[in-house]
Amino acid sequence: EADIYQTPRYLVIGTGKKITLECSQTMGHDKMYWYQQDPGMELHLIHYSYGVNSTEKGDLSSESTVSRIRTEHFPLTLESARPSHTSQYLCASSESVAGSSGNTIYFGEGSWLTVV
Amino acid sequence: QKEVEQNSGPLSVPEGAIASLNCTYSDRVSQSFFWYRQYSGKSPELIMSIYSNGDKEDGRFTAQLNKASQYVSLLIRDSQPSDSATYLCAVRYIGSARQLTFGSGTQLTVLP
Repeated sequence: EADIYQTPRYLVIGTGKKITLECSQTMGHDKMYWYQQDPGMELHLIHYSYGVNSTEKGDLSSESTVSRIRTEHFPLTLESARPSHTSQYLCASSESVAGSSGNTIYFGEGSWLTVV
Repeated sequence: QKEVEQNSGPLSVPEGAIASLNCTYSDRVSQSFFWYRQYSGKSPELIMSIYSNGDKEDGRFTAQLNKASQYVSLLIRDSQPSDSATYLCAVRYIGSARQLTFGSGTQLTVLP
């Protein structure tokens, strides 16, 4: 069972507000990810990190930014929220495992963001 | 063409039947394969992983991998209404910086 926590779980904010979605994991995983998923739609990777001070943009262009100052913490920030940002944001993490066994991604419970 | 393809469904099976979910992936060097289950409004949770050709069984779930044909499948025996969810196939490609590539998911409904 994964220990990855997201806050807030649900948030309704006004257009133009700055919002930070928090994500923390207690497993010491090197790799962390942010996915965006609209209801009933595909998962889209928007950011990932391979370790402290390492962040990369994912497959889906996003106006959000991320930081990775500590291994366990990977917050996502929207400087000026818009209604188009309304979605579910899923944080995930995985450890680096050498060899062919691969590694598993564990998801947090998600943050539902509504911008009005 | 997407790298990981799944039929979106919905797939409906009666309670107690075998549900068969399929996934094909592109011709790249792949390493490992995963099936996730996602209930409506919830986050994905891992059901099974498989790395070698053949079958892998875990309770009512069996994952099947055929690298030559580039497909991976998930069988759910004795399907229950609680199995109703979207099932996501994911592939880890060697050299991919993005760790896992997810399919769009297949929606399964088990009818009581």
